[in-house]
Amino acid sequence: NAGVTQTPKFRVLKTGQSMTLLCAQDMNHEYMYWYRQDPGMGLRLIHYSVGEGTTAKGEVPDGYNVSRLKKQNFLLGLESAAPSQTSVYFCASNQAGLYNEQFFGPGTRLTVL
Amino acid sequence: RKEVEQDPGPFNVPEGATVAFNCTYSNSASQSFFWYRQDCRKEPKLLMSVYSSGNEDGRFTAQLNRASQYISLLIRDSKLSDSATYLCVVRPGNYGQNFVFGPGTRLSVLP
Repeated sequence: NAGVTQTPKFRVLKTGQSMTLLCAQDMNHEYMYWYRQDPGMGLRLIHYSVGEGTTAKGEVPDGYNVSRLKKQNFLLGLESAAPSQTSVYFCASNQAGLYNEQFFGPGTRLTVL
Repeated sequence: RKEVEQDPGPFNVPEGATVAFNCTYSNSASQSFFWYRQDCRKEPKLLMSVYSSGNEDGRFTAQLNRASQYISLLIRDSKLSDSATYLCVVRPGNYGQNFVFGPGTRLSVLP
């Protein structure tokens, strides 16, 4: 049982390049999330999904797109990377139910030059 | 006002000390509450859920005061391994399924 995994762990991009971050969970969780964490800012929600085929915007969605074609996978795309998107990206998932905890992946460290 | 606010820290305490963190939340409809721990450059991990009646897990005690909209975490007999950032997490029950994270309070336990 791997829990939540993220690919890649590290990436350096040039401004304007695109990339996709992959999140996978093997716990059969309904809900999945993408966060970014910046120094002094805490975790901020980018997009989330409450089920396969559904996505919704979070607090800071601009510049990102997501897809959830399979229940176990949640993809985060950057179409044209900007230096302001330099951050640590965490994926998380949880089972349906108000009192269930979120489980996090190990994070992706992205630098945009 | 931010949805979830925490003691800014950092807290630097000697081994064996008792330390308490406070967290306040603005949404009175919030339904579930958690404390997460985050080690440097690692992902957050659940430390404990917070129940209305308060709950204890070994050296850790969490309290919830709905009337005043605050949550506390007490750590007794601090260990070096307790050094981390502690995140207060609140989950509103009146929309969506989103978790709202506080900015975190950093704890350093010194030998």
